[in-house]
Amino acid sequence: DQQVKQNSPSLSVQEGRISILNCDYTNSMFDYFLWYKKYPAEGPTFLISISSIKDKNEDGRFTVFLNKSAKHLSLHIVPSQPGDSAVYFCAASRSNDYKLSFGAGTTVTVRA
Amino acid sequence: GAGVSQSPRYKVAKRGQDVALRCDPISGHVSLFWYQQALGQGPEFLTYFQNEAQLDKSGLPSDRFFAERPEGSVSTLKIQRTQQEDSAVYLCASSFFSSAGGAEQFFGPGTRLTVL
Repeated sequence: DQQVKQNSPSLSVQEGRISILNCDYTNSMFDYFLWYKKYPAEGPTFLISISSIKDKNEDGRFTVFLNKSAKHLSLHIVPSQPGDSAVYFCAASRSNDYKLSFGAGTTVTVRA
Repeated sequence: GAGVSQSPRYKVAKRGQDVALRCDPISGHVSLFWYQQALGQGPEFLTYFQNEAQLDKSGLPSDRFFAERPEGSVSTLKIQRTQQEDSAVYLCASSFFSSAGGAEQFFGPGTRLTVL
């Protein structure tokens, strides 16, 4: 069963505009959420994370928002740059649990 | 390099052949994970090591899959009698800490296995 879902397989955005990636989860025990970025032929690299005690975490151009009641999180990239073109994976885990559950990914294309 | 490395990067196997995939984690990392990523999907957990101990193998899809980390560093994922449904990218990740809940996992580039 897919406990983490990314319902948009792809997103195209113009350079300089905002990219918004969405992620939904079904397991209410998840309390730690991460976003990974993946370029072709490379492994995923950690981008940003958020604990369930927060509803927002910001790191430079990247902000993650968490809505626990809706079991929904989103990643905002502002402004989008050509180097942001990649596959973005949402992942979730429980505290003191090593397993990460991943979504299927969203391919972001930033147009010049 | 200081990152997680995996070899081979690409492997083509005939159905029924045995394969061995290697992972070199970041030096000093206690935890090591194997994931399987099918085409168009996210990585799915296979197994977890804390040092040399395999603490969780609940994600291994069948008894044809076997993983080891005998000295708590390099790990090998072995697949016996490969089947076409084993075709996927196999990702290895390592982490400094022994549990998640905040511990970033560092991923290798993966091994793309194609079973003909």
